[in-house]
Amino acid sequence: KAGVTQTPRYLIKTRGQQVTLSCSPISGHRSVSWYQQTPGQGLQFLFEYFSETQRNKGNFPGRFSGRQFSNSRSEMNVSTLELGDSALYLCASSGSGGNTEAFFGQGTRLTV
Amino acid sequence: QKEVEQDPGPLSVPEGAIVSLNCTYSNSAFQYFMWYRQYSRKGPELLMYTYSSGNKEDGRFTAQVDKSSKYISLFIRDSQPSDSATYLCAMSAPDNFNKFYFGSGTKLNVKP
Repeated sequence: KAGVTQTPRYLIKTRGQQVTLSCSPISGHRSVSWYQQTPGQGLQFLFEYFSETQRNKGNFPGRFSGRQFSNSRSEMNVSTLELGDSALYLCASSGSGGNTEAFFGQGTRLTV
Repeated sequence: QKEVEQDPGPLSVPEGAIVSLNCTYSNSAFQYFMWYRQYSRKGPELLMYTYSSGNKEDGRFTAQVDKSSKYISLFIRDSQPSDSATYLCAMSAPDNFNKFYFGSGTKLNVKP
């Protein structure tokens, strides 16, 4: 069974640009969550998508957005990049029931 | 005060030792508790998942949850050099069960 796939693995961008990250969840999983990991703040929840709808949102500015497609693949977009957006962005895949076992991808390392 | 507190370590032990990793939390609504292991430059790997209070054992790993004290633990028996990694605790509440709150991680080094 394939795991969670995130692309690309590495990105280098310039301040002010925008970026799109992609996540393909485990087959059959309908929930995709996104997290930002930095040395100073650790892992912080960005948002969760379930059946193409945003179900939860963390405390990040509106520059961070996402969407989910009918095949459960999800994308995350960051506009007007700032230096502080440099981080490892992780995607987690979960089943649709109350089972909260979440499996992470390898992440996309973004450098601004 | 952060919702989840975890000693960042580093924790250095000899091979074969019993390791105890701990987290405390402040939100009494948390019902789902997870432990993840993260190697350098990799995504977090789910080790243990526990619902509510009690113990759970899986091979060399034992997870304990004490909801009355708002305290969770992970024990690693017969530790191996391959266990050297950062260990993250995570937890969530029933109303947002896929929104995880993470500890800052404990870096473990098992010396051969």
